[in-house]
Amino acid sequence: TQLLEQSPQFLSIQEGENLTVYCNSSSVFSSLQWYRQEPGEGPVLLVTVVTGGEVKKLKRLTFQFGDARKDSSLHITAAQPGDTGLYLCAGTDSWGKFQFGAGTQVVVTP
Amino acid sequence: KAGVTQTPRYLIKTRGQQVTLSCSPISGHRSVSWYQQTPGQGLQFLFEYFSETQRNKGNFPGRFSGRQFSNSRSEMNVSTLELGDSALYLCASSLYGTGMNTGELFFGEGSRLTVL
Repeated sequence: TQLLEQSPQFLSIQEGENLTVYCNSSSVFSSLQWYRQEPGEGPVLLVTVVTGGEVKKLKRLTFQFGDARKDSSLHITAAQPGDTGLYLCAGTDSWGKFQFGAGTQVVVTP
Repeated sequence: KAGVTQTPRYLIKTRGQQVTLSCSPISGHRSVSWYQQTPGQGLQFLFEYFSETQRNKGNFPGRFSGRQFSNSRSEMNVSTLELGDSALYLCASSLYGTGMNTGELFFGEGSRLTVL
């Protein structure tokens, strides 16, 4: 059972376009993290959000944690080919265990 | 600082065999977690070890087991392999373990297991 639902599963856009990836759950999480995984590599942490309503920016990436700490979004402005990868959200439950979503595969073409 | 090292990177086994995968965490990290990654299912948590003790366990059958040594290196074993065990197995280390819920997981490149 996937507690964290990510949408869309796949996203293909042109360089310069914007995109948003969503991570939703019926459960409340203590914190939520976003990772990016490139082919042949393990996931790499992008950001951690812990407070409901929190917004964090990392260059062209904007992360938001829902007020109820059940959902999150990742918005990329002016996407570049280097943004291509599998984006994974991971929530931490009350026992400290990480729950990962299935991921959103993003492809940015020049 | 060396990253997380997983061996072997690729392996092919047949049904019924067993396999052992190894993970060396970042120096100083005491927590090692194991995940199974398959298309469409994402990362499924297998177990976490902290200071040689299993601290958390996911919903996998008993064929999946692991251990951690005094130097924090960890191994996972899968016995009586099934076709459905084909996956990328990822190991992640962290400084304090998943009990510290804002801790970062540092992943290795994974061991890709194919079961024929």
